Amino acid sequence: DQQVKQNSPSLSVQEGRISILNCDYTNSMFDYFLWYKKYPAEGPTFLISISSIKDKNEDGRFTVFLNKSAKHLSLHIVPSQPGDSAVYFCAATLKSGKLIFGQGTELSVKP
Amino acid sequence: DTGVSQDPRHKITKRGQNVTFRCDPISEHNRLYWYRQTLGQGPEFLTYFQNEAQLEKSRLLSDRFSAERPKGSFSTLEIQRTEQGDSAMYLCASSSPGTGTYEQFFGPGTRLTVL
Repeated sequence: DQQVKQNSPSLSVQEGRISILNCDYTNSMFDYFLWYKKYPAEGPTFLISISSIKDKNEDGRFTVFLNKSAKHLSLHIVPSQPGDSAVYFCAATLKSGKLIFGQGTELSVKP
Repeated sequence: DTGVSQDPRHKITKRGQNVTFRCDPISEHNRLYWYRQTLGQGPEFLTYFQNEAQLEKSRLLSDRFSAERPKGSFSTLEIQRTEQGDSAMYLCASSSPGTGTYEQFFGPGTRLTVL
């Protein structure tokens, strides 16, 4: 039972444009959502998070939007840079501790 | 603060052998987590500790797997009688939820290959 889903395995974007990565979840009890970035041969690096009581959180070029009624969240990267090329994972938690991850989306930002 | 560290970074073993991995969390973090990641998938939760207490174990953690955190600091994950299906990246993470945030900080992982 995949409770967190990222339906796009890959995304290609031109440098300077917006990257939008999407994530859907099924468990309405999730109360905290996170985005991680992962380079090959490294562990995931925390990017940005959002509490379920909010609908938007912004940190520099990264903004996460949460639509609870649709059980959907998205990560916007503006402007995209070649160094953003990596695999992005969304994750959800019940604050009990464990993170439940999506399958990941590989972002490629082309110069 | 040097972040979460894991040792070894790579391990190649033969089927049937036992392996042990170590994780050193960020020093002030009281929670420590183990995850497993296979190719094309996101990390999957295995188990976690709050201080020295093991609070939750996934069904993925068969009886061949055991984890410890004896003094509430570093942790070890042991796999007995390894199988080829155990080949994966094993990730450790730590957090301090008492601060009101739930971010977990990951180490670089241990890549296990079972021949």
